[in-house]
Amino acid sequence: GQGVEQPDNLMSVEGTFARVNCTYSTSGFNGLSWYQQREGHAPVFLSYVVLDGLKDSGHFSTFLSRSNGYSYLLLTELQIKDSASYLCAVREPNYNVLYFGSGTKLTVEP
Amino acid sequence: AQTIHQWPVAEIKAVGSPLSLGCTIKGKSSPNLYWYWQATGGTLQQLFYSITVGQVESVVQLNLSASRPKDDQFILSTEKLLLSHSGFYLCAWSMDRGNTEVFFGKGTRLTVV
Repeated sequence: GQGVEQPDNLMSVEGTFARVNCTYSTSGFNGLSWYQQREGHAPVFLSYVVLDGLKDSGHFSTFLSRSNGYSYLLLTELQIKDSASYLCAVREPNYNVLYFGSGTKLTVEP
Repeated sequence: AQTIHQWPVAEIKAVGSPLSLGCTIKGKSSPNLYWYWQATGGTLQQLFYSITVGQVESVVQLNLSASRPKDDQFILSTEKLLLSHSGFYLCAWSMDRGNTEVFFGKGTRLTVV
């Protein structure tokens, strides 16, 4: 199986940035995804990474270091509406199973 | 465009009663289908996946079963509900093997009393 760990909470200020961390320990790895989930709603896909390095997608960027079992989601120019939970998920080698972390609840303050 | 519809939106059921949840995907042939469960305040856990009609694989054992009677339909069920079955059930789909994005339905909120 996969152990996927995320901090529970993160606070930041509108107009600045927030970095949501994710660490994983795996018996296999075939990519890592990030999802946004608002209270009482389904997760929404944000990004997928499988190669090391930074992937810039504008408001959301993602970084992966496979040797360290580490990824982060970087949100820039934060808005109040970015307040939500952010989930990372590791895909196992058979492609069909995702293991989710418990999510980081981001609160953006004015 | 592909759409995913889950039913019901919410259920309140008694311990020991049966359960059937469903979802339908339109606009995509032969999708991979998934069931997820999330206890209130808990971690999203994958329960089942199916890559073709009639074939379902279990990921986590929670005294639940799943079936795929049609290409576009996925059913989650149990004959006897437990209190621990309460939570948020999500059906999801993705393109065939190798896809990197999973699309979730709006979910069913289940309360077992």
